[in-house]
Amino acid sequence: IQLTQSPSLLSASVGDRVTLSCKGSQNINNYLAWYQQKLGEAPKLLIYKTNSLQTGIPSRFSGSGSGTDYTLTISSLHSEDLATYYCYQYNNGLTFGSGTKLEIK
Amino acid sequence: EVQLQQSGPEVGRPGSSVKISCKASGYTFTDYVMNWVKQSPGQGLEWIGWIDPEYGSTDYAEKFKKKATLTADTSSSTAYIQLSSLTSEDTATYFCARDSGSPYYVMDAWGQGASVTVSS
Repeated sequence: IQLTQSPSLLSASVGDRVTLSCKGSQNINNYLAWYQQKLGEAPKLLIYKTNSLQTGIPSRFSGSGSGTDYTLTISSLHSEDLATYYCYQYNNGLTFGSGTKLEIK
Repeated sequence: EVQLQQSGPEVGRPGSSVKISCKASGYTFTDYVMNWVKQSPGQGLEWIGWIDPEYGSTDYAEKFKKKATLTADTSSSTAYIQLSSLTSEDTATYFCARDSGSPYYVMDAWGQGASVTVSS
């Protein structure tokens, strides 16, 4: 399964509501996770099984979707959310999306 | 606290091999599958493969079947990846990442990454 993330680059202001998209080439059956990777760091798990928040992750992060289309939403952007975000499917093989780089205006 | 401590940066000559380690602590090593992920400079994440430390069973992405060999030493709770026949395409950071297991099977803990530079 191939994953297409959009946009590849997103610039937003602190306090904005931000939506990142991930589309699969086939049905993912909700086996979709989101990772955050800050510059020079390892990826961090944010969301698993489409909408389950990993322990310790702020509640401003949420996930939704079904079938082939999934979304990560940050309800109110914080400056520390500057990072690249990857979606990841584990329904059929293991695949990462190409990433969305989130910049702070 | 789950921790995955990876070995330091490696420099390898073209055609040679390198071996990276990932020492696990804070959990029972044999209870969880270990994944390996590649990140080329400025690029995204690629899954290389996984190893089940309890049984030594492995699975690899097709692209890495002839490139990577995954092993594990249960006595030291350490997973290894060996990269062979190095080329410039292997210059990257390599992460180990624990699989959370049933029912979610996501990578829930990551090592800090180990850089490999292929240079003559």
